[in-house]
Amino acid sequence: AQRVTQPEKLLSVFKGAPVELKCNYSYSGSPELFWYVQYSRQRLQLLLRHISRESIKGFTADLNKGETSFHLKKPFAQEEDSAMYYCALSGGAQKLVFGQGTRLTINP
Amino acid sequence: EAQVTQNPRYLITVTGKKLTVTCSQNMNHEYMSWYRQDPGLGLRQIYYSMNVEATDKGDVPEGYKVSRKEKRNFPLILESPSPNQTSLYFCASRPGLYSPLHFGNGTRLTVT
Repeated sequence: AQRVTQPEKLLSVFKGAPVELKCNYSYSGSPELFWYVQYSRQRLQLLLRHISRESIKGFTADLNKGETSFHLKKPFAQEEDSAMYYCALSGGAQKLVFGQGTRLTINP
Repeated sequence: EAQVTQNPRYLITVTGKKLTVTCSQNMNHEYMSWYRQDPGLGLRQIYYSMNVEATDKGDVPEGYKVSRKEKRNFPLILESPSPNQTSLYFCASRPGLYSPLHFGNGTRLTVT
């Protein structure tokens, strides 16, 4: 079974501080992992995917198969990063499973 | 513009009154899906469709129906809505198995 866990429902950091949003997954095969972001009053949109190995808006995420994690990181948080973040897993089936989400708040 | 369009954006209805939320995409995507978003529960999949006339249940299908008669449309049907179906609903599509999802703007449904 596919499962995604985001242990923190809420995360609050100060502007300029490092950010790490945790994501752990459970899947027996080779997963495809994504981070989606939802800014206030906007639709969900893709932030990044592990296969691309790219940095978007300063965020990076590395797939750690040993720890079954895909944590999202940014070295210096900005106020515009405040949003809801979802980790998602696509396994062999056509299902895309989402975590419960983490609401990130950047304090000025 | 490539997009997923849902209608209506807001809907208030009463228990038992059948309703349909429409979803349309103009990207020729084969895969479409419906999610509901609830505080503390994140996004949960209701139904998905891999192509025309091919639909399957997600994690929370009870109380919902879908149809996929055309590639671009994937309506969500609530035959007899109940208050526990009050939620924010998102339709999404993607071209292939490992492609990212494109989401609609969401439909906020309130059932009284």
